[in-house]
Amino acid sequence: ELKVEQNPLFLSMQEGKNYTIYCNYSTTSDRLYWYRQDPGKSLESLFVLLSNGAVKQEGRLMASLDTKARLSTLHITAAVHDLSATYFCAVDRYGGATNKLIFGTGTLLAVQP
Amino acid sequence: DVKVTQSSRYLVKRTGEKVFLECVQDMDHENMFWYRQDPGLGLRLIYFSYDVKMKEKGDIPEGYSVSREKKERFSLILESASTNQTSMYLCASTPRLNEQYFGPGTRLTVT
Repeated sequence: ELKVEQNPLFLSMQEGKNYTIYCNYSTTSDRLYWYRQDPGKSLESLFVLLSNGAVKQEGRLMASLDTKARLSTLHITAAVHDLSATYFCAVDRYGGATNKLIFGTGTLLAVQP
Repeated sequence: DVKVTQSSRYLVKRTGEKVFLECVQDMDHENMFWYRQDPGLGLRLIYFSYDVKMKEKGDIPEGYSVSREKKERFSLILESASTNQTSMYLCASTPRLNEQYFGPGTRLTVT
């Protein structure tokens, strides 16, 4: 069974601290996506990682992909309250050949002042 | 900017009613998707369409059908709504092999 597992599921952190969200997946995909969802809102695309070793950064967020380990990380640097949201990773269930994604259950990030 | 719109943000329907959820995208994307999102279960794919009149079942198609008569519009139909279909429904579209762009979502309550 294809699985995408995120951990932690819930993360409470203080402003200014660093932390990493992990996304493990069971299929041989070389295409991984990170999304953000604010409460009551829809999903917004953050990063598209297209190959092994890919690293992308936007502001305080940095995402990386290790296809051999089937692992992606989303690193948060010096967190601020505005980063509070739920973060989802998703992989193409057929290894990048289609757009049929399977999503992780999400990580709820709460940044406390 | 890509825009994906959904016909309603909130909808309340009675058990047994036929429900139509509509999704429109303005970027000429080939692929369109319907998901439902439930707490603790993430997003689950109901149906997707890769071209006009073409559709494919996702992971949880039971109780749902879809229609894609025009490239920009993808409709989700609940033939006879049930309380276990109370959920957030999200539509998405994408050009080939790219990230998905999501609509604002429709929160459906079936009473």
